[in-house]
Amino acid sequence: KQEVTQIPAALSVPEGENLVLNCSFTDSAIYNLQWFRQDPGKGLTSLLLIQSSQREQTSGRLNASLDKSSGRSTLYIAASQPGDSATYLCAQRSNDYKLSFGAGTTVTVRA
Amino acid sequence: DTAVSQTPKYLVTQMGNDKSIKCEQNLGHDTMYWYKQDSKKFLKIMFSYNNKELIINETVPNRFSPKSPDKAHLNLHINSLELGDSAVYFCASSQRPGTSGSSYNEQFFGPGTRLTVL
Repeated sequence: KQEVTQIPAALSVPEGENLVLNCSFTDSAIYNLQWFRQDPGKGLTSLLLIQSSQREQTSGRLNASLDKSSGRSTLYIAASQPGDSATYLCAQRSNDYKLSFGAGTTVTVRA
Repeated sequence: DTAVSQTPKYLVTQMGNDKSIKCEQNLGHDTMYWYKQDSKKFLKIMFSYNNKELIINETVPNRFSPKSPDKAHLNLHINSLELGDSAVYFCASSQRPGTSGSSYNEQFFGPGTRLTVL
């Protein structure tokens, strides 16, 4: 059974601080891992996707790493801004095509 | 705009009714999905279709029936609605799983349909 865990469940930081969001997964047969952002009452926006053969992906201030051996992915957001406040979800896709989601980390960036 | 769209955005209905949620994608993807996000914000896959063929069918009551008239549409019909069906339902699409290329497996989500059963 695939299980995806995100810690912490909530995070509050002052503007400008770097954010570190953790995701752990139990299924070693990972195909890829995708990070999403969800704003209150809104849908999911895809941020980054890391294939199992990759170690990291970068997009602007966002960097996501993948360590299959330890079953972990980390999303770094540099120089956080109030607009980064949202819930961040990680999802693991295994060979059965299903995305298994974590419960998310709700981030608040204080101005 | 290229996107995944869902209608309606909000749906409020009485227990026992039958309702449908529609989903369309114009991204040229082969595969579409339905997810349910419960009150604890946990997202779970329900169904997936690839080129109108069902490829994922999780343990979902058979009151839920997906229908894919073509690969750009995946509708969700729910019979005999129950209180526990209240949730946000998200449609998503991607290229066919297993297609090579780093971006081909990325899933794109619609805005969601908030279903409230009274």
